[in-house]
Amino acid sequence: SQQGEEDPQALSIQEGENATMNCSYKTSINNLQWYRQNSGRGLVHLILIRSNEREKHSGRLRVTLDTSKKSSSLLITASRAADTASYFCATDRDSNYQLIWGAGTKLIIKP
Amino acid sequence: KAGVTQTPRYLIKTRGQQVTLSCSPISGHRSVSWYQQTPGQGLQFLFEYFSETQRNKGNFPGRFSGRQFSNSRSEMNVSTLELGDSALYLCASSLEWGYKAFFGQGTRLTVV
Repeated sequence: SQQGEEDPQALSIQEGENATMNCSYKTSINNLQWYRQNSGRGLVHLILIRSNEREKHSGRLRVTLDTSKKSSSLLITASRAADTASYFCATDRDSNYQLIWGAGTKLIIKP
Repeated sequence: KAGVTQTPRYLIKTRGQQVTLSCSPISGHRSVSWYQQTPGQGLQFLFEYFSETQRNKGNFPGRFSGRQFSNSRSEMNVSTLELGDSALYLCASSLEWGYKAFFGQGTRLTVV
């Protein structure tokens, strides 16, 4: 079963623009993680944000978490062609030992 | 520091056969998880192991099984393969649950 839903399902922007992806989930969580996947390969961890945190930054990435709305957003600033990938959010619940995934956002950066 | 290693990378099997996939976690990581990724169902959780103990299992039939060894390496086995088992199987390791998970490149299984 999937806990999260990302929107949009697909996003196409010009290089240099900012890209924002959203993730909603259904149940209370311990933390939420964002991952990137290139062309059906392995997943690369981007950011982990815990339920008691509201915002985290890592380089050009900014993640926010609103537990009252059960939603998170990933902002990629000054996008590059190399950012073209699918982006997934994943959540875990207390003592559940599994990540539950959203369907992903496919991001295309046009040169 | 070596990453998560999954072997083999690609596999073609016939319906009814069985398959074993291997995952070597990052050194020092004791939690190993497995996921199945398909275009239709997305990423689905299979199992999680910690110190040779399965702590959770996803909603998959009994044909899917796994284990973890004392060195934290893990294997998953699928018996009596079906066409619908064709997927990318991903393994992830982390220090402990709740820490960021590092994924391998996956094993792409095709059942014909």
